[in-house]
Amino acid sequence: GESVGLHLPTLSVQEGDNSIINCAYSNSASDYFIWYKQESGKGPQFIIDIRSNMDKRQGQRVTVLLNKTVKHLSLQIAATQPGDSAVYFCAELTGNQFYFGTGTSLTVIP
Amino acid sequence: DVKVTQSSRYLVKRTGEKVFLECVQDMDHENMFWYRQDPGLGLRLIYFSYDVKMKEKGDIPEGYSVSREKKERFSLILESASTNQTSMYLCASSFDSTWPQHFGDGTRLSIL
Repeated sequence: GESVGLHLPTLSVQEGDNSIINCAYSNSASDYFIWYKQESGKGPQFIIDIRSNMDKRQGQRVTVLLNKTVKHLSLQIAATQPGDSAVYFCAELTGNQFYFGTGTSLTVIP
Repeated sequence: DVKVTQSSRYLVKRTGEKVFLECVQDMDHENMFWYRQDPGLGLRLIYFSYDVKMKEKGDIPEGYSVSREKKERFSLILESASTNQTSMYLCASSFDSTWPQHFGDGTRLSIL
């Protein structure tokens, strides 16, 4: 099977600092990637996506970077807020199936 | 906004019981999925469906079956529940298999 998402399992940041969450993927044929946020007691929520013909995409306070050479994806959250505390995981599309990483638990310290 | 609703948030069942997990989506999506989520393992695909009455096995279908009699509803069935099926179960739907999936809030199932 696919190997996705060699995340660090936990990350703590001070409120107001920037957060960077990383994900490694194994299949160089993957052409679409998504970051999801999962808050406690809730289902995963779409944050941002990027296709393999791009190396950067920005949203509101979030940026996704894709480095196809080393098969690495990152999510940057600017000015991290307490409401950003959650588990974040990446998903990789190979063929017509998504494969999901195990996630990084982000804790924001007030 | 897409709404994916799972009928139960928490469920406790006994070994050997037949268990039904229900999922309904309101966006007329063709594709529906069932995953289980376990610590350290990420989401693992159990079954999916691209159309009514159609089903395909995912990566871990053993011990499970599914039913899709109507487009909006996708049911996961544990034929004879076992303790190793204790997990968080997530239902998702999408417009197309290559589009982002929208998830329900999950059913935390405990098999005693």
